[in-house]
Amino acid sequence: GQNIDQPTEMTATEGAIVQINCTYQTSGFNGLFWYQQHAGEAPTFLSYNVLDGLEEKGRFSSFLSRSKGYSYLLLKELQMKDSASYLCAALDSNYQLIWGAGTKLIIKP
Amino acid sequence: IAGITQAPTSQILAAGRRMTLRCTQDMRHNAMYWYRQDLGLGLRLIHYSNTAGTTGKGEVPDGYSVSRANTDDFPLTLASAVPSQTSVYFCASTPTSGSTDTQYFGPGTRLTVL
Repeated sequence: GQNIDQPTEMTATEGAIVQINCTYQTSGFNGLFWYQQHAGEAPTFLSYNVLDGLEEKGRFSSFLSRSKGYSYLLLKELQMKDSASYLCAALDSNYQLIWGAGTKLIIKP
Repeated sequence: IAGITQAPTSQILAAGRRMTLRCTQDMRHNAMYWYRQDLGLGLRLIHYSNTAGTTGKGEVPDGYSVSRANTDDFPLTLASAVPSQTSVYFCASTPTSGSTDTQYFGPGTRLTVL
């Protein structure tokens, strides 16, 4: 079956760095997305990886290892506004997104 | 209108009632999707439409129906609501289907079935 695993909740301190991990098992693979979702709001796009390696975009970076079925989202210089859920989603061979349950990130001052 | 709009924002519904959730986009995207989001579960695809005039079933289609009469609108109907359909419903779209396009989401409809 198809499955996405990510931690349910993480806590970090303002100004610090946090890494949110995601492992996936899908029928075929056409890339991995990360979305941010603030409480009560819609998910918004953060990053897309299809090749192995690290993609950096400001304070946020995303890494992919296709051979390991593994990705992580790295958030640097954490700000209070980064408190949100982070959703990992893999695109399968039919170009359907398979979603993880999300990681709730709590930022403490 | 900018992006995707959904209506209503929230609704409390008696079990057995019929309900249509509305979704409209102004981006001329071909593909549209309906998801439900429940606590502790990932977004689950209910129905999708690759282009106007076509629809398909997702992971959890039972109890729901959709139509796609034109590019902009993609309503989701619950023919006879049940409490297990209590959820937050998101409509999304992408420029094309069968691609790596980013999905854009509407603000969601919070539905409670009593």
